[in-house]
This record gives sequence, C-alpha cells and structure tokens, in this order.
Amino acid sequence: AQSVTQLDSHVSVSEGTPVLLRCNYSSSYSPSLFWYVQHPNKGLQLLLKYTSAATLVKGINGFEAEFKKSETSFHLTKPSAHMSDAAEYFCVVSGYGQNFVFGPGTRLSVLP
Amino acid sequence: EAGVAQSPRYKIIEKRQSVAFWCNPISGHATLYWYQQILGQGPKLLIQFQNNGVVDDSQLPKDRFSAERLKGVDSTLKIQPAKLEDSAVYLCASSLRPAGQQETQYFGPGTRLLVL
Repeated sequence: AQSVTQLDSHVSVSEGTPVLLRCNYSSSYSPSLFWYVQHPNKGLQLLLKYTSAATLVKGINGFEAEFKKSETSFHLTKPSAHMSDAAEYFCVVSGYGQNFVFGPGTRLSVLP
Repeated sequence: EAGVAQSPRYKIIEKRQSVAFWCNPISGHATLYWYQQILGQGPKLLIQFQNNGVVDDSQLPKDRFSAERLKGVDSTLKIQPAKLEDSAVYLCASSLRPAGQQETQYFGPGTRLLVL
C-alpha cells in the first residue's frame, strides 16, 4: 500500500523568504513522486516529478524537490517566495501498476 | 495543445436529485480518471478508464455513482440520487499511458458540486 504524509497543513512565509513544504511517503515499490499546485478555482498543475533519474528535481516557477530514499521524503523548496505562489500544494506518490495517491495538501500563504 | 475540458463548472442540486458531469481529455490520451476532492482533502480516485474499458473502479460508490466512456474519448460521471456528502469538486484527468508508468496526469478545472 502507498501513502503520503504532508507534515504541515498550512505554511505561512513572507515574500522573498524561502519556502519549504514537507512530504513523506510510503511505498512498497520504487516510487514515482509528484508535486502539484492548485490555485483557487483552478485545476491541478504539475510542478515537478521524480521518476528514478536525478534525485534533485527542478520544476517550474523556481521550485525544486529532493528525493531522499533513506528518509522516504520528497520535500519541496523554493529560494524566494512570490505572492503568486500562494496556493494549495499536493504531494503525490505512484508506483509501477499503482494509481496516484494524494497527500492531504499544504496551504501556502505568502505575506507581503 | 488544448487541456482537459470539464463542464459544468458549478452545479447546485437538492439531495436525491441526479446530476451528470462531462469531461473531454487531451487529444490522444488513452487513460482517463475521475477524482473526488472533498473540501480540505486531497483528491481521491473514483474510476480509471483505459480507452473505453474500466481499469479501476474500486472506490466508486456503485450504488449511486456511474461513469462511462463509450467511444474511448470523452466521459460522463453521474450521481443518482445525490447525498449531502457528495458535495465536492469532481476532477477529471488524463494521461497518455496508464498511471504507474511514471506518467504525468493532466487535470481539468473541475466541477464544483453543492448538494443541499
């Protein structure tokens, strides 16, 4: 069975400061991991994905995530937050023959 | 490239009524998914189609929910009769190949359902 834990339901940062959204996963298989972002009243947009290539994955809008197998983590980071980054972020695990399993989401607030 | 299209965007109904949602995936995508996203939670898979066949409907409440993808392209999800707890956003997604093969899923804007 697969599962995803997003350790913070809400993260608040000031504009221009770093962002860290935490994700831990459980999978019986070699996992594929994704981060999606959901802006209010919008669909889910892919930020980045890990599929067993490089452990440090770069995505859109300056986001990146590092796959750490020993820690079963896939935390999302960004060096400098922008107001437009305020949204809901979902960590997703998948595996061979397995469907997507979403985490509960982390709401990111960016303060001016 | 056009994205995943869904309609309607919003729907308000009374309990025990029926409702239907429509989805048109990205052209050429063989796999189509319907998810239910309850407020404050992550999306939960309801059903997965590969072309016009059902691959996974283990979490679909079959006593009231049904879905079809007759020609292997667009799809309809129906709820009959609706309950208060069905209030949620219904998301449609598509991918070129089935999930689990490192495939990215592309999501539509969703249909927000409110059952009164």
